[in-house]
Amino acid sequence: RKEVEQDPGPFNVPEGATVAFNCTYSNSASQSFFWYRQDCRKEPKLLMSVYSSGNEDGRFTAQLNRASQYISLLIRDSKLSDSATYLCVASGGGADGLTFGKGTHLIIQP
Amino acid sequence: GAGVSQSPSNKVTEKGKDVELRCDPISGHTALYWYRQSLGQGLEFLIYFQGNSAPDKSGLPSDRFSAERTGGSVSTLTIQRTQQEDSAVYLCASSLEAGQARGYTFGSGTRLTVV
Repeated sequence: RKEVEQDPGPFNVPEGATVAFNCTYSNSASQSFFWYRQDCRKEPKLLMSVYSSGNEDGRFTAQLNRASQYISLLIRDSKLSDSATYLCVASGGGADGLTFGKGTHLIIQP
Repeated sequence: GAGVSQSPSNKVTEKGKDVELRCDPISGHTALYWYRQSLGQGLEFLIYFQGNSAPDKSGLPSDRFSAERTGGSVSTLTIQRTQQEDSAVYLCASSLEAGQARGYTFGSGTRLTVV
């Protein structure tokens, strides 16, 4: 079974700090990568795609390291509203589509 | 529709009863996925549809679970003879095509409680 592994946390971070977390994926054939955000008792929502060259969206930066098969997410100047669970996702290369990690729980503290 | 719509949003059922969950994907999305998320757990893949056909049913937990999709649109997930371990949030997602390049859009889920 193709796996995506993440540190479940929780990561407790003071407001305004920078936080980063990684995930690893086992399927070397994966081509597409994403970070999703899931708030408590809500559905997952796409945060950003992850591209080989790395990409930035405001305070969020995503990086992909294909050689080591890991993906990272960096959040700068963290806000209270960033508190959520962040799901790392890799394409499965098969009919079951995307493979989701179990998520990293982030708590931004005032 | 503008988003993925799931119904009912909440369902409480007695052990042993059958339940039917419905998913209405984004108009024009050909790929449709069902996932299950138990409390505090990750997403468990159940089944995937490309159009009306389901190439991969391997994620269905048992033969009590079945799903169909008609007209390349609405999908129903049926659980027969429900058990307490079936209690979870059942999430449906759709994507424009099966290539996953743009990720999925999820519905808000059906919270199933078996008592």
